[in-house]
Amino acid sequence: DAGVIQSPRHEVTEMGQEVTLRCKPISGHNSLFWYRQTMMRGLELLIYFNNNVPIDDSGMPEDRFSAKMPNASFSTLKIQPSEPRDSAVYFCASSLAEGNTGELFFGEGSRLTVL
Amino acid sequence: DAKTTQPTSMDCAEGRAANLPCNHSTISGNEYVYWYRQIHSQGPQYIIHGLKNNETNEMASLIITEDRKSSTLILPHATLRDTAVYYCIALRWGTSYGKLTFGQGTILTVHP
Repeated sequence: DAGVIQSPRHEVTEMGQEVTLRCKPISGHNSLFWYRQTMMRGLELLIYFNNNVPIDDSGMPEDRFSAKMPNASFSTLKIQPSEPRDSAVYFCASSLAEGNTGELFFGEGSRLTVL
Repeated sequence: DAKTTQPTSMDCAEGRAANLPCNHSTISGNEYVYWYRQIHSQGPQYIIHGLKNNETNEMASLIITEDRKSSTLILPHATLRDTAVYYCIALRWGTSYGKLTFGQGTILTVHP
């Protein structure tokens, strides 16, 4: 199994530019999560989807952030316009929500640097 | 989900057992105890979870006290590759679809 695939692995951009991060969840998984990690704030949940529908986006920091899941095999996290404080590692995770237990499988992350 | 408390850091000698404690005194009856770890520059990795019985898998053992207010993750023979941040999370699956709320975790350093 290929695992959760994220792209790009590294992105360096200038303030004001649009950034799009991509995620391909594990085939057959029905939940997808976007996390952000910084030294100051640790791992924060931004948004999560179940069956392609956004369930909770209360962690999205502001309107500059948006996420979509057009189908079960693809999701994007977009930042427009980007700011230096958005610099972080962004992780995507997926799970198969069945019964009352399960585990999240994380991708290797996308490291974003906004200059 | 119940709040968990973990020591900030721990050390362990290579080859010895690493015992990582977690306090979850307000855990409710339908909340599971999950453990994840994050090795430097990688995404978090699932280790083990349990409800009230002790659990063991190829990675670790999880010991949950009878009152469920605390638990211990045991890495029986720690190696240098086990150096990581270990997160203990109390989770009620339900309508949360398994979303994890990470605390600061325990930084485990395994030294030669």
